[in-house]
Amino acid sequence: GAVVSQHPSWVICKSGTSVKIECRSLDFQATTMFWYRQFPKQSLMLMATSNEGSKATYEQGVEKDKFLINHASLTLSTLTVTSAHPEDSSFYICSAQAPGMSYEQYFGPGTRLTVT
Amino acid sequence: KQEVTQIPAALSVPEGENLVLNCSFTDSAIYNLQWFRQDPGKGLTSLLLIQSSQREQTSGRLNASLDKSSGRSTLYIAASQPGDSATYLCAVTSGTYKYIFGTGTRLKVLA
Repeated sequence: GAVVSQHPSWVICKSGTSVKIECRSLDFQATTMFWYRQFPKQSLMLMATSNEGSKATYEQGVEKDKFLINHASLTLSTLTVTSAHPEDSSFYICSAQAPGMSYEQYFGPGTRLTVT
Repeated sequence: KQEVTQIPAALSVPEGENLVLNCSFTDSAIYNLQWFRQDPGKGLTSLLLIQSSQREQTSGRLNASLDKSSGRSTLYIAASQPGDSATYLCAVTSGTYKYIFGTGTRLKVLA
């Protein structure tokens, strides 16, 4: 149980375009989802916390107008990178947390974004 | 602000050795601590989760301990194998339910 999927697993886009990444909890309802970014040989950095039905909470230094997060249902959150630039190239990982599960997060397999 | 540090940053050992990875955190008010494994270019695999009321957890050749008062956790890997080669990350959860990840330890087990 507690499986989280991400789609796509990798994507290449041109500079200036937008790309959407989906995060789904497959076998549980996630009231809270999280989005992380990981640069090569670095650890995961939390970008934002996504709560179903409300606006996302962004970490300091993360541009909310650039990284649009929508958590429209209890099983789906999306991250849209708008007007992507090469410096946005990174590994994006989502996680999902269900209520009453000791705050444990279940992580998706990640999405590799390359902006050319 | 919670900070999580892992020592060593990289480790190379011959197959069969027992080894210890360290994780330290600055704020002892945590809900839980979790150890993950990450293979190159892949997502996270959860290894062990220790709740704040627990002292240790075991799974197969892995044992993780937690000393909240001193802000430390160790991951013990017995009889290491080349397949254990990966980056190991620890993460702590505190009042805001957010995971704060450590800096990671890159492990290489030589055959």
